[in-house]
Amino acid sequence: DGGITQSPKYLFRKEGQNVTLSCEQNLNHDAMYWYRQDPGQGLRLIYYSQIVNDFQKGDIAEGYSVSREKKESFPLTVTSAQKNPTAFYLCASSLLSDSRELFFGEGSRLTVL
Amino acid sequence: AQSVTQLGSHVSVSEGALVLLRCNYSSSVPPYLFWYVQYPNQGLQLLLKYTSAATLVKGINGFEAEFKKSETSFHLTKPSAHMSDAAEYFCAVRPSGSARQLTFGSGTQLTVLP
Repeated sequence: DGGITQSPKYLFRKEGQNVTLSCEQNLNHDAMYWYRQDPGQGLRLIYYSQIVNDFQKGDIAEGYSVSREKKESFPLTVTSAQKNPTAFYLCASSLLSDSRELFFGEGSRLTVL
Repeated sequence: AQSVTQLGSHVSVSEGALVLLRCNYSSSVPPYLFWYVQYPNQGLQLLLKYTSAATLVKGINGFEAEFKKSETSFHLTKPSAHMSDAAEYFCAVRPSGSARQLTFGSGTQLTVLP
């Protein structure tokens, strides 16, 4: 079955450590996205990529980094510069149609201790 | 710029009652509109979408939404709530022909009472 796989589902890290969240899709979608979800704030776009080796900042990119070396993969690194990293992170993908309907992974919950 | 407002962060209904979740949008051009559902600790699943065809859109699980341009609204309804409908619901907008990505509302938590 086609879909989006995020790992790990739960992750704990100490302050000052970088952590990388994995996102893989086998939907043959060109575009991939990372969102952050906090209670009562909806989803906020961190980064997105529409083509391999290219990506753009979203609304809250500070303290995060991404890479897009393969069409199927779009890992997100939460760096120590992110002041409040505890959150639920969602990866999504879409075709480059005008509507940009998003397909989501199951999410990764990061807790900083 | 586009934006989405979901009125009511929490809505409670009795099982079998009408579900109405409100969404108003702003967009300078004709929009694409979406409703997504999220169950606890899971990703979002598309319920339905409006892409400028019929103004009344039917989705999965008995949900539907009506696009009303004059009211800039895209409210989600279901005639009879089921316990399994308890979840968080998000409205999202994307202006057609735009380079902007989807903008999500802040979500509405639906509780279904027995």
